[in-house]
Amino acid sequence: QQQVKQSPQSLIVQKGGISIINCAYENTAFDYFPWYQQFPGKGPALLIAIRPDVSEKKEGRFTISFNKSAKQFSLHIMDSQPGDSATYFCAASMSGAGSYQLTFGKGTKLSVIP
Amino acid sequence: DAGVIQSPRHEVTEMGQEVTLRCKPISGHNSLFWYRQTMMRGLELLIYFNNNVPIDDSGMPEDRFSAKMPNASFSTLKIQPSEPRDSAVYFCASRVYWGLPGQGLYYGYTFGSGTRLTVV
Repeated sequence: QQQVKQSPQSLIVQKGGISIINCAYENTAFDYFPWYQQFPGKGPALLIAIRPDVSEKKEGRFTISFNKSAKQFSLHIMDSQPGDSATYFCAASMSGAGSYQLTFGKGTKLSVIP
Repeated sequence: DAGVIQSPRHEVTEMGQEVTLRCKPISGHNSLFWYRQTMMRGLELLIYFNNNVPIDDSGMPEDRFSAKMPNASFSTLKIQPSEPRDSAVYFCASRVYWGLPGQGLYYGYTFGSGTRLTVV
């Protein structure tokens, strides 16, 4: 059972545009939602993360929007640049029982064209 | 800080052979995770350790897979015998925590660069 559904699978955005990637989760026990960025030949790297007690978190050009009632969260990349071209993964975890395991979405391949 | 170090970076082996993947986590991180990445299934958690003790190995696909963490600075993932369907990129990750004022505990995984395994 896939617990975190991510869309779209791929995304092409013009330089300077806004990239939006969406994720939906099923398990209401999830309480931590990070996004990871992966470049070819590299492992995923933590980009930004949010907890459900806030609806939005911004770090530079990257913003997470969180909708607890809809069980959805999204990543917005403002002023997208060719260097942002990568695969982005959303993830979710719960902090109970000390596990903190991350469940990942299947990824979105972003291409920013000049 | 050298990050999480995995070896080898690439491994090509014949079906039926034993394969051993290695990982050195970041010093001081007490949790270690092994993931497998494929186009079809994305990132799958295989097993994770807390303080060198295996906590959850429910993601290990078959008895052909085994993992060990003999000490805080080293872990191995072994496949014996290997099969073509095991071809994937295998990642090791260790975990770091930090706290933000008024926002609770945050944590992130630091991934290694992965081992690309090809079984022919």
